[in-house]
Amino acid sequence: NAGVTQTPKFQVLKTGQSMTLQCAQDMNHNSMYWYRQDPGMGLRLIYYSASEGTTDKGEVPNGYNVSRLNKREFSLRLESAAPSQTSVYFCASSRAQAPPNQPQHFGDGTRLSIL
Amino acid sequence: AQSVTQLGSHVSVSEGALVLLRCNYSSSVPPYLFWYVQYPNQGLQLLLKYTTGATLVKGINGFEAEFKKSETSFHLTKPSAHMSDAAEYFCAVSDTGSSNTDKLIFGQGTTLQVKP
Repeated sequence: NAGVTQTPKFQVLKTGQSMTLQCAQDMNHNSMYWYRQDPGMGLRLIYYSASEGTTDKGEVPNGYNVSRLNKREFSLRLESAAPSQTSVYFCASSRAQAPPNQPQHFGDGTRLSIL
Repeated sequence: AQSVTQLGSHVSVSEGALVLLRCNYSSSVPPYLFWYVQYPNQGLQLLLKYTTGATLVKGINGFEAEFKKSETSFHLTKPSAHMSDAAEYFCAVSDTGSSNTDKLIFGQGTTLQVKP
């Protein structure tokens, strides 16, 4: 019962480097989400994908790009990492059937430090 | 637009004491409400959810929450705290402006400390 799998679990980057965070779900969910979690700020939505082939900006999209590769996979890319992007990143997925009362299922997170 | 406010960023209780974590929401339509728990170095796990119907919702690990429309509240309670309940708790409301997703708006979180 894998659920939502994120890789890598930890990463240290230098300012200006790029990297892609990977996320895959095996629950046949339609929607997927990327969040960042910072102390005292809760979870903030970076990007989401309502369904395969669509992506939309969330609350804090600047400096990030996403790709919904297929129904299972949703990746988050940092093109030129900045220290302000040091955070814990969570991927989540949900069934997304009306009405919007389905819970989101979360991965264990990627802890990213940018020096 | 929907919003969520969790009162108290840190709550400390003694083992065996009542746990009360407060959540107030703002929504122009009947809300769908959730409580999640996050243990150290883990992702968020669903504790319980309110959709429609019964206002007292039971969740996992002995937690429950009561939906009070008149007070726009959805407080989380547990009669007797256990050391294993120490975690961060998040209240969330569905963003009903996005009909084709389950977008959530999260509160800032409340860290529960349980003292022996």
